[in-house]
Amino acid sequence: KNQVEQSPQSLIILEGKNCTLQCNYTVSPFSNLRWYKQDTGRGPVSLTIMTFSENTKSNGRYTATLDADTKQSSLHITASQLSDSASYICVVNPSSNTGKLIFGQGTTLQVKP
Amino acid sequence: NAGVMQNPRHLVRRRGQEARLRCSPMKGHSHVYWYRQLPEEGLKFMVYLQKENIIDESGMPKERFSAEFPKEGPSILRIQQVVRGDSAAYFCASSPQGSLNTEAFFGQGTRLTVV
Repeated sequence: KNQVEQSPQSLIILEGKNCTLQCNYTVSPFSNLRWYKQDTGRGPVSLTIMTFSENTKSNGRYTATLDADTKQSSLHITASQLSDSASYICVVNPSSNTGKLIFGQGTTLQVKP
Repeated sequence: NAGVMQNPRHLVRRRGQEARLRCSPMKGHSHVYWYRQLPEEGLKFMVYLQKENIIDESGMPKERFSAEFPKEGPSILRIQQVVRGDSAAYFCASSPQGSLNTEAFFGQGTRLTVV
């Protein structure tokens, strides 16, 4: 069973609409949780990083939330643009002293005009 | 300040050949991480290196795979006697500190195809 589960697997929305992506994790201990955006054929680019004490963090039109008690996170995208079409990946860092980031499989978002 | 540079971007090897993947971290970063992304899967940790030291290689296959980060020059991920199952995208990330509570920046990846 994956330690980081994302839903939905894929999503199609119209330009200008909002959407919310979900992430459930079972990783413990837990140091921080990140959301990355990965364009096709490119490397992941960080959107937000949250420690367990943070509930929400924004980066422009991206807002991430974290509930460390229920081990759930979400990424909300506001006023979507065509350039938002990408894979969005939830990543958990289980410990502060390791390079072992644990990646979810991602949600593939397609924004249509 | 250039980002994490990986080369080549695409690499084709025949079964049994060797593959060498290079990663130059961002300026000022002394910690390098290698991840592998198989088709339709998420990235999986392979190895974490500092200059001249392997810190954690628990995600690396025991045979055929090796990694180094010399005092001078890029980090190298080496795959000997490649097989079709090695076909994947290999990503390198770097950070200024090893804790990963700081940002880790990823390169564009090397897409290895074994034919």
